[in-house]
Amino acid sequence: DQQVKQNSPSLSVQEGRISILNCDYTNSMFDYFLWYKKYPAEGPTFLISISSIKDKNEDGRFTVFLNKSAKHLSLHIVPSQPGDSAVYFCAASERGGSEKLVFGKGTKLTVNP
Amino acid sequence: GAGVSQSPSNKVTEKGKDVELRCDPISGHTALYWYRQSLGQGLEFLIYFQGNSAPDKSGLPSDRFSAERTGGSVSTLTIQRTQQEDSAVYLCASSLGQIKQFFGPGTRLTVL
Repeated sequence: DQQVKQNSPSLSVQEGRISILNCDYTNSMFDYFLWYKKYPAEGPTFLISISSIKDKNEDGRFTVFLNKSAKHLSLHIVPSQPGDSAVYFCAASERGGSEKLVFGKGTKLTVNP
Repeated sequence: GAGVSQSPSNKVTEKGKDVELRCDPISGHTALYWYRQSLGQGLEFLIYFQGNSAPDKSGLPSDRFSAERTGGSVSTLTIQRTQQEDSAVYLCASSLGQIKQFFGPGTRLTVL
């Protein structure tokens, strides 16, 4: 059973508009969440993270929102740029122990010029 | 180099052969992780090292899979008697013991 779910395999948006990528989780023990971006033939690169004690974290064009009661988080990219086209992975972790990351299957974002 | 490096970048092998995959973490990073990504799937945790010890091996799919880390640095993942279902991209990540992990480019393994 998947503990982290990204239900949209793909998303297409116009340059300059907002991209919203969604992620749901089932494990209430998760207390840290991360978004990674992956280009073809490269490893994932860290984008932004959020601790469960917060409900929002912002870094430039990227904002992550966390709704703990709904076990839902989202990544907003504003404005979207063609260079943002990549696969975005949502990941979750429990502090303590190995702190391994549990990943969703990813959402492929295409930003059209 | 500044980042995590992995070798080889691609490996094609025949079913039943053994393979070794190598990871060089970022210098000074004490924690090292192995993940794999099968086609159309997310990254799946395999094993975690803290220094040279592996306190969490819970993700290794079978006893054909093993890994070691020496000198608190380089790690090798060994797959014995490879099967076609082992075909995947194997990714290594390292960290300073924080949640944020830095990933290498991966090794694409194809078992014919």
